[in-house]
Amino acid sequence: AQSVTQLDSHVSVSEGALVLLRCNYSSSVPPYLFWYVQYPNQGLQLLLKYTSAATLVKGINGFEAEFKKSETSFHLTKPSAHMSDAAEYFCVVSPNKAAGNKLTFGGGTRVLVKP
Amino acid sequence: NAGVMQNPRHLVRRRGQEARLRCSPMKGHSHVYWYRQLPEEGLKFMVYLQKENIIDESGMPKERFSAEFPKEGPSILRIQQVVRGDSAAYFCASSPPMEGQTEAFFGQGTRLTVV
Repeated sequence: AQSVTQLDSHVSVSEGALVLLRCNYSSSVPPYLFWYVQYPNQGLQLLLKYTSAATLVKGINGFEAEFKKSETSFHLTKPSAHMSDAAEYFCVVSPNKAAGNKLTFGGGTRVLVKP
Repeated sequence: NAGVMQNPRHLVRRRGQEARLRCSPMKGHSHVYWYRQLPEEGLKFMVYLQKENIIDESGMPKERFSAEFPKEGPSILRIQQVVRGDSAAYFCASSPPMEGQTEAFFGQGTRLTVV
């Protein structure tokens, strides 16, 4: 069974500071990994995805994530936070291609950006 | 191309009533997924449907919940005899009729409140 753990339920950063959202997964096979963002009272938007190509994945809005198999991690970073980055972020895993979009979500990390 | 459309956005039901949640996938998408998000939690997979077929309902509660995706019209998630614990945000996602891993596009969700 797949599982994903987001290590911080809340993260507070100053505008312009580094954003780091931590995610660890467990999987018996190399998984597909995603980060989604959810703005208040909105649906989810895909930020980026890892599908066994490059281990450093670049996404939208300046975010990127690095897949580290040895650490079973897929942490999300952004060099400089913007006020518009305030949202909830979900690390998501799909076990394999056949599972399609039967996704397993982490518990979410709520990001607060201080001016 | 309109995105995934869910309606209603907000639904209030009294205990014991029925709730019907609708999801119109993106044009050309024939795969639909329903997820439930309880307060302060991540999304949990409920059911995966293709046109006229339930592919995977492993996340559906055994009683009172049903889903369909008819040949014509939207996908429907039906909750009979609602209870307070059914209060949650219900998200629908759709993806194209392709094998394997493709991006899922999420609707804005229906927020169900049971009073």
